[in-house]
Amino acid sequence: SQQGEEDPQALSIQEGENATMNCSYKTSINNLQWYRQNSGRGLVHLILIRSNEREKHSGRLRVTLDTSKKSSSLLITASRAADTASYFCATDARGKGGSEKLVFGKGTKLTVNP
Amino acid sequence: DAGVIQSPRHEVTEMGQEVTLRCKPISGHDYLFWYRQTMMRGLELLIYFNNNVPIDDSGMPEDRFSAKMPNASFSTLKIQPSEPRDSAVYFCASSSHRGNQPQHFGDGTRLSIL
Repeated sequence: SQQGEEDPQALSIQEGENATMNCSYKTSINNLQWYRQNSGRGLVHLILIRSNEREKHSGRLRVTLDTSKKSSSLLITASRAADTASYFCATDARGKGGSEKLVFGKGTKLTVNP
Repeated sequence: DAGVIQSPRHEVTEMGQEVTLRCKPISGHDYLFWYRQTMMRGLELLIYFNNNVPIDDSGMPEDRFSAKMPNASFSTLKIQPSEPRDSAVYFCASSSHRGNQPQHFGDGTRLSIL
């Protein structure tokens, strides 16, 4: 079952602009993660934010988490053509027998035009 | 550092044939995950292992799918018999933490069943 839903599905911006992607989820979480996927490649982990954190930074990335609204946003500042990729949020969930796993959204496809 | 290694990168075969996908996790990682990615359903967890033992196989679509992890450095995902609806990109990921922590993905196997 899908937990996270990214919005928008696709985003096209000019180099140098900021890109904001949103993720909404349904049930309570312990952490939320963002991943990037370049075309034809595997996912790459970007950042993890815990449920007791509200904001986290990593280089040009800024992630916020609002547990009351069950939503998160990923901001990429001063975007570059190399940021062109799909971005996924992943939330933790309970699987079979209470095991812990990640559930991924369907992603936002970001295109940064030079 | 060697990342997660998957083989083959591409596989094209006819319906009814047996398909075997292979994965070598990052050394020292004791969690291994198999995912399937399609446009329609996004990224779905099929099965994951901890210390070579299957923990959650609730995502395995049906009996035609099987996965094994005979040792800490090798896992296979087998489809027998294959069907056109199995066409997808299959990813292997590994982690040194629990199932809801950051994961390292391979570059996937693009499977086409004719």
